[in-house]
Amino acid sequence: NAGVMQNPRHLVRRRGQEARLRCSPMKGHSHVYWYRQLPEEGLKFMVYLQKENIIDESGMPKERFSAEFPKEGPSILRIQQVVRGDSAAYFCASSPPELGQETQYFGPGTRLLVL
Amino acid sequence: AQSVAQPEDQVNVAEGNPLTVKCTYSVSGNPYLFWYVQYPNRGLQFLLKYITGDNLVKGSYGFEAEFNKSQTSFHLKKPSALVSDSALYFCAVRDLGTSGSARQLTFGSGTQLTVLP
Repeated sequence: NAGVMQNPRHLVRRRGQEARLRCSPMKGHSHVYWYRQLPEEGLKFMVYLQKENIIDESGMPKERFSAEFPKEGPSILRIQQVVRGDSAAYFCASSPPELGQETQYFGPGTRLLVL
Repeated sequence: AQSVAQPEDQVNVAEGNPLTVKCTYSVSGNPYLFWYVQYPNRGLQFLLKYITGDNLVKGSYGFEAEFNKSQTSFHLKKPSALVSDSALYFCAVRDLGTSGSARQLTFGSGTQLTVLP
């Protein structure tokens, strides 16, 4: 059973470009979470999605950031017009839908560097 | 609001000695508590969790943690440390007092564990 998969593992963008980060959850998991880890800091929650629905986006910046989890395909975190402060590691996690089985399993992360 | 504190940025211990990594939490309801480990340039690996039941939880690689409701703590422990345990450890909490749709984890700032040979 493959774990959570993220790609790319490393992404370099120039200021003003767009970054698209992909996450494929573990098999059987229908809940996806995105977290951001700034250098020397812990993980900060960004967004929680189920298939075709955003459940909780309370941690998402109000501008330039968006996320989706379509019926088919991976979850996408999209950052428009990137700035240097967006440089961070972005982690995706997934969990099964059942209540009480809510351990979140993390992918290897995408390390975004904005030049 | 939920929060987690890991009071030690760095813990050093000699190989073979017991180790403790401290975590305290604050929630409005009952907590789900988790420990994760992160190796350099890697994702987080799940170690163990407390949801309900016995206060002493056993997890992967010989780690265990004790839930203490009165002290609102969930310290991570291992009886005999290995050099390979050296990594960054994160405590996380989910507050069951929040709405059912809120599944976000709140993480501590992490504790760097170094096991010296």
